[in-house]
Amino acid sequence: RKEVEQDPGPFNVPEGATVAFNCTYSNSASQSFFWYRQDCRKEPKLLMSVYSSGNEDGRFTAQLNRASQYISLLIRDSKLSDSATYLCVVNRRTDKLIFGTGTRLQVFP
Amino acid sequence: GAVVSQHPSRVICKSGTSVKIECRSLDFQATTMFWYRQFPKQSLMLMATSNEGSKATYEQGVEKDKFLINHASLTLSTLTVTSAHPEDSSFYICSARALGVGNTIYFGEGSWLTVV
Repeated sequence: RKEVEQDPGPFNVPEGATVAFNCTYSNSASQSFFWYRQDCRKEPKLLMSVYSSGNEDGRFTAQLNRASQYISLLIRDSKLSDSATYLCVVNRRTDKLIFGTGTRLQVFP
Repeated sequence: GAVVSQHPSRVICKSGTSVKIECRSLDFQATTMFWYRQFPKQSLMLMATSNEGSKATYEQGVEKDKFLINHASLTLSTLTVTSAHPEDSSFYICSARALGVGNTIYFGEGSWLTVV
């Protein structure tokens, strides 16, 4: 079983739609959680950190449920420019980041 | 802001040759850098942790004699793919944490290796 699991998608949504991605992690010792965005053939870029209390950054909302070992990302009012692969990432006590396979999002006009 | 630079961004080499990829932190020091590999449509897989002034720590299943890592200074780590084979063709990415700048981890732009 992979340490970080995500639905690979693709999620095809129209502009303006709300879309949610889920992620589960297997290692209960995981301490930090992130969502990264990766565009085709590019390096991943940090989208946002994820906290137990939930956090919001503009159109993006992230949630963490430690008891269920579950992380989510909600994107509201999708834009064409949101099309990318969204990577769920966890790390333990070190700086090692463990990546999920990513969920691909395609926003169409 | 902090930047991590990789070079080359793309390289094509012949099977059996060696290729060196550089990872530099441009305006911060990094005692630790990480090397990842990503095959098409797959996740980034950590290959090794590069430690300044000491030996790298390799993840299970990664051949240390094939993927040589050198971290000679606080701003430079290199990954050398020795005796490259076509199955080594992949996207290689490094990352580094900026000392004293929170826990932000910065990624290099990645290097595309094609072995023919």
